[in-house]
Amino acid sequence: DADVTQTPRNRITKTGKRIMLECSQTKGHDRMYWYRQDPGLGLRLIYYSFDVKDINKGEISDGYSVSRQAQAKFSLSLESAIPNQTALYFCATSDRTGGVVNEQFFGPGTRLTVL
Amino acid sequence: QKEVEQDPGPLSVPEGAIVSLNCTYSNSAFQYFMWYRQYSRKGPELLMYTYSSGNKEDGRFTAQVDKSSKYISLFIRDSQPSDSATYLCAMRVETSGSRLTFGEGTQLTVNP
Repeated sequence: DADVTQTPRNRITKTGKRIMLECSQTKGHDRMYWYRQDPGLGLRLIYYSFDVKDINKGEISDGYSVSRQAQAKFSLSLESAIPNQTALYFCATSDRTGGVVNEQFFGPGTRLTVL
Repeated sequence: QKEVEQDPGPLSVPEGAIVSLNCTYSNSAFQYFMWYRQYSRKGPELLMYTYSSGNKEDGRFTAQVDKSSKYISLFIRDSQPSDSATYLCAMRVETSGSRLTFGEGTQLTVNP
């Protein structure tokens, strides 16, 4: 089984709808991240959480919210989806004891289309 | 201006070619430099990392960092079709915890 899973893998929705993307991990890591990936812009950090009670905004948090329900679960919500939130969304995890590089492990991604 | 700039390509080379992938950056506080590889329809995976300036070699892959020029490179020798992927550079400062700043990625195709 995959260490970092994301659901759904694909989603098409309409402008104004509320959407939740879910991420679960079995790696036992305390740190979790949400990114979006757009052509020409690369990966950009939306929110990150270093433990269940520590949630922080990334560089592009406007229009998004998150919930860390447990160490293993980190959800991303779009309260009122708009077309420019169409993107590929990745969840990632890392371990605070992960050495100097603190490698991040990514899920398979969720392709979201907002019409 | 982006903190990290990366030529998006696409880059197409014949099998066996030497590939050079590059990133420039503006934040002199970056200390850790990474290369992630992303296959189509997959999440990125860490390929190599270096700390501060210098070179690091791992098989056919060599990562170079030149902090004086704010320039990093990834070289792939004897490229293979299995190397076809998008390569993303990533960087972080010492005090950022594990927050990374990514380049936009270079799409590489190695033709048999």
